[in-house]
Amino acid sequence: SQELEQSPQSLIVQEGKNLTINCTSSKTLYGLYWYKQKYGEGLIFLMMLQKGGEEKSHEKITAKLDEKKQQSSLHITASQPSHAGIYLCGAASRQAGTALIFGKGTTLSVSS
Amino acid sequence: DTEVTQTPKHLVMGMTNKKSLKCEQHMGHRAMYWYKQKAKKPPELMFVYSYEKLSINESVPSRFSPECPNSSLLNLHLHALQPEDSALYLCASSQESPSGSTDTQYFGPGTRLTVL
Repeated sequence: SQELEQSPQSLIVQEGKNLTINCTSSKTLYGLYWYKQKYGEGLIFLMMLQKGGEEKSHEKITAKLDEKKQQSSLHITASQPSHAGIYLCGAASRQAGTALIFGKGTTLSVSS
Repeated sequence: DTEVTQTPKHLVMGMTNKKSLKCEQHMGHRAMYWYKQKAKKPPELMFVYSYEKLSINESVPSRFSPECPNSSLLNLHLHALQPEDSALYLCASSQESPSGSTDTQYFGPGTRLTVL
């Protein structure tokens, strides 16, 4: 079965600093999703990557999918307190239709 | 509009109670999902409905009973739950395109369930 490994597990950065979160899959990714979650709340969709080498940006967040489609990174530029939360990468599991499997998440804290 | 709503927001129930969780979306999505999330863990799939038919049951105990009355609504009926069933229950929906692996799932805010 497919597994997603995220690193780091947690991250504390000073406001204004850049950071990167990585997501590595044990199998080729058919669709890679990034979500953000505040503790105890729902998941907020950030971006979806599908093609090898694809890169998408929204505001100060950029996500990339490598050419081999087994690794993705999420980069935040000039972090702000509003970026704090849990970042989850998710992948479509062919074995379970369109349902998603998730990495364990990266908890981001931003200190002001 | 990419909103999925869930009610109630919080639920406390005893092990002998019967309760239901409700999920609603008006995006015209034909796939709906229930996920369970324990504290500090990622969401785990429970059920998938496709065109109002149950397509996936991830070996969930029968004390959880899903229902999809129409394409906009998804219920999760709860009966005789155990304290270890306490968790955040998340509903999601997505289009049901032929290339399903790239359908974005939109999540509701969740129902925080506590079983006493």
